[in-house]
Amino acid sequence: QVLLQESGPGLVKPSQTLSLTCTVSGDSISSGGYYWSWVRQHPGEGLEWIGYIYYRGTTNYNPSLKSRLTISMDASNNHFSLKLRFVTAADTALYYCARGGGYDVLDYWGQGTLVTVSS
Amino acid sequence: EVVVTQSPGTLSLSPGDRATLSCRASQSISSSYLAWYQQKPGQAPRLLISGTSNRATGIPDRFSGSGSGTDFILTISRLEPEDFAVYFCQQHGISPPTFGQGTKVEIK
Repeated sequence: QVLLQESGPGLVKPSQTLSLTCTVSGDSISSGGYYWSWVRQHPGEGLEWIGYIYYRGTTNYNPSLKSRLTISMDASNNHFSLKLRFVTAADTALYYCARGGGYDVLDYWGQGTLVTVSS
Repeated sequence: EVVVTQSPGTLSLSPGDRATLSCRASQSISSSYLAWYQQKPGQAPRLLISGTSNRATGIPDRFSGSGSGTDFILTISRLEPEDFAVYFCQQHGISPPTFGQGTKVEIK
């Protein structure tokens, strides 16, 4: 069974960097042949794909966030991470990590972590 | 980017009813890259259907998907109490992947 768990601060100040980590168990992020994505959901709204990292380390980002975004992976600890710089209140959302992206569906999801941007 | 529009926004039905949810893309997408997800309050989305009509593991056969081009449908043949939730469609054939805004299926 593939399990994903997001972790990171629940509160970030405006203009600072939002950093989240997704720890994966039950699959290897560096050898399983999958994409690994971040998706967010603004309160009471729909879903927005943020970006993915492929098991080989290549990335693809949503153009709307690309200038502020970095997704990376740590194969030795089997986790991947998101850094979103210069955050504003508009970045307040529930952030999910998921397996999939690109041409693959999102078949396993973490439980999500709420990040609030506020001073 | 491909805009995905779902209708209706809310569907009020009773257990045992048939639910028909619509998903429309702003441009034609391959049927291989249209998925449906179910989300219940306080939970992450769960994959229901991939490739327009392929049920994910463990999804009961009362859920079915169809469509092509720009128009896709999710049908729940007979609603069970656990089916009342929000449903999202997603296209992932043209980057960036995009989701519809969701259809809430609520108890009438």
